[in-house]
Amino acid sequence: KAGVTQTPRYLIKTRGQQVTLSCSPISGHRSVSWYQQTPGQGLQFLFEYFSETQRNKGNFPGRFSGRQFSNSRSEMNVSTLELGDSALYLCASSGAKTAYEQYFGPGTRLTVT
Amino acid sequence: KQEVTQIPAALSVPEGENLVLNCSFTDSAIYNLQWFRQDPGKGLTSLLLIQSSQREQTSGRLNASLDKSSGRSTLYIAASQPGDSATYLCAVALGEYGNKLVFGAGTILRVKS
Repeated sequence: KAGVTQTPRYLIKTRGQQVTLSCSPISGHRSVSWYQQTPGQGLQFLFEYFSETQRNKGNFPGRFSGRQFSNSRSEMNVSTLELGDSALYLCASSGAKTAYEQYFGPGTRLTVT
Repeated sequence: KQEVTQIPAALSVPEGENLVLNCSFTDSAIYNLQWFRQDPGKGLTSLLLIQSSQREQTSGRLNASLDKSSGRSTLYIAASQPGDSATYLCAVALGEYGNKLVFGAGTILRVKS
């Protein structure tokens, strides 16, 4: 079974631009979560989607948004990029509706200049 | 607010040693606890998941225990190998559906050959 895939793997953007990251979960998984990883803050939860509905959201500004499609693929968008948005963005999928093992993708490395 | 702490922050051991990584959390109302491994610049690999009703889980040379009442978990690695060198992260599952992970800062492990 193929794992979680994320595209693109690397991205360089300029301050003020916007960016869209994509995540394809493991086949059959309906829950997709997004996390931001930085050296200073570690891994922080952004949001979680299940069957196209956002069920949970972390403490991030409204510039961070996401969506999930009917095939469970998910996208994350960051508008008006700031230097502090430079991070590794990880997506995870889970095969159950609640509290099950999460499988992570390789991440998208975003650099904002 | 749930806080997860991992001790030690870094560990360097000779090959063949048995070692213990520690994880503590402040709120015992968790769905489960998951241990991950992260290699530099890569995504997370799930090692073990312990449901809140369980006391321990084993996989090969790895054994994880959970004491929910005291807010502690340990990851025991037997007969360490250089290939075990990585950052080890523990995460507790929270939220209405148990799909929000709160991570510790990790333990950087180096196994010397």
